[in-house]
Amino acid sequence: GESVGLHLPTLSVQEGDNSIINCAYSNSASDYFIWYKQESGKGPQFIIDIRSNMDKRQGQRVTVLLNKTVKHLSLQIAATQPGDSAVYFCAEEENQGGKLIFGQGTELSVKP
Amino acid sequence: EAGVAQSPRYKIIEKRQSVAFWCNPISGHATLYWYQQILGQGPKLLIQFQNNGVVDDSQLPKDRFSAERLKGVDSTLKIQPAKLEDSAVYLCASTPVGHNEQFFGPGTRLTVL
Repeated sequence: GESVGLHLPTLSVQEGDNSIINCAYSNSASDYFIWYKQESGKGPQFIIDIRSNMDKRQGQRVTVLLNKTVKHLSLQIAATQPGDSAVYFCAEEENQGGKLIFGQGTELSVKP
Repeated sequence: EAGVAQSPRYKIIEKRQSVAFWCNPISGHATLYWYQQILGQGPKLLIQFQNNGVVDDSQLPKDRFSAERLKGVDSTLKIQPAKLEDSAVYLCASTPVGHNEQFFGPGTRLTVL
């Protein structure tokens, strides 16, 4: 089965609010994690990544948190905008060979 | 910089027919991936190439799926014969050597009737 999964299939937020998307992974040996955004009809787009030697990494309006103790990953989007509406996937790299294991995805809907 | 190109964007075929998808990765990217994304799920790796060699094809259904990257640049993925459960989006991604970020193309949406 999948080694990476997401807690919630859908998330609806008001424009301007902060969004938090969660992900659980099962392989404690995983070293590298990525969040992707996928809009309808498009391929996944890289958002942010984090290595297992870090517990937090920030980008522009996005922050990824990694809790290795409970094998949990989260993506925080600040001041969510309508353009953030998409499906968000977390993925882990298996065995440092480039192979990514994707979770099911969370659909984020931003209400104006 | 041009992104990963894929064609066709859409394909509808009858079961038991054959189909082929084409991918042109970002120039200079040595590693190329083919993923299958069934509706409502995350992408699943089918095959990974490093230049023209196969790195991982453990999840490729080899009785009906084949892929090649003969010159280490473009790649084709073929399904012969197609089954209903092959209906999915087929994504191609590439990455330069020494990097982890995979750049995805727009995908080919396959519908098998």
